[in-house]
Amino acid sequence: DTGVSQNPRHKITKRGQNVTFRCDPISEHNRLYWYRQTLGQGPEFLTYFQNEAQLEKSRLLSDRFSAERPKGSFSTLEIQRTEQGDSAMYLCASSAGQGATYEQYFGPGTRLTVT
Amino acid sequence: QKEVEQNSGPLSVPEGAIASLNCTYSDRGSQSFFWYRQYSGKSPELIMSIYSNGDKEDGRFTAQLNKASQYVSLLIRDSQPSDSATYLCAVGTRGSTLGRLYFGRGTQLTVWP
Repeated sequence: DTGVSQNPRHKITKRGQNVTFRCDPISEHNRLYWYRQTLGQGPEFLTYFQNEAQLEKSRLLSDRFSAERPKGSFSTLEIQRTEQGDSAMYLCASSAGQGATYEQYFGPGTRLTVT
Repeated sequence: QKEVEQNSGPLSVPEGAIASLNCTYSDRGSQSFFWYRQYSGKSPELIMSIYSNGDKEDGRFTAQLNKASQYVSLLIRDSQPSDSATYLCAVGTRGSTLGRLYFGRGTQLTVWP
């Protein structure tokens, strides 16, 4: 069983550019989550999907952020018109979401640097 | 705002000692509790989950939960230098935000030989 994978692992972009990240969850996990983590802080929730439905979005997710999970498999997170404050580690996690088990397993993350 | 607080550390213990990490949470509706280990520059790795009051042991790790006191802890017995990392406490709640985890800022642990 392969783990959660994320691409790219690192991204450097100039302010104002758009970036897109991809997450492939553990196979057969129907829940997928996006978090953002900055230095010295714990991960902060951005959004999550159950299958292809986006069930919740954090207020942290401004209009410049959009996430999709077509067909309930991989997910993409797009940031438009990047700002220096968007520099962070973007983490994807997945869970089986069965019963009371919400154990979330994280991918390696995508480190974004906005110059 | 649901808050998760951890002792800020850093925590430093000698090899072979017991490391004790603490976490408190503000939402009494919280139902699931997790400890993640995060090495510098890496992503969080799940090491323990606990859902009911009491202790849960897994190898050298013991998680303790007290819902009445809104307190969860992690004990690491026979600490090894490879345990040196930041430990994140995460809490899940019921209701419409089912699935979302709230994280503390983490406690940095150093185990010296």
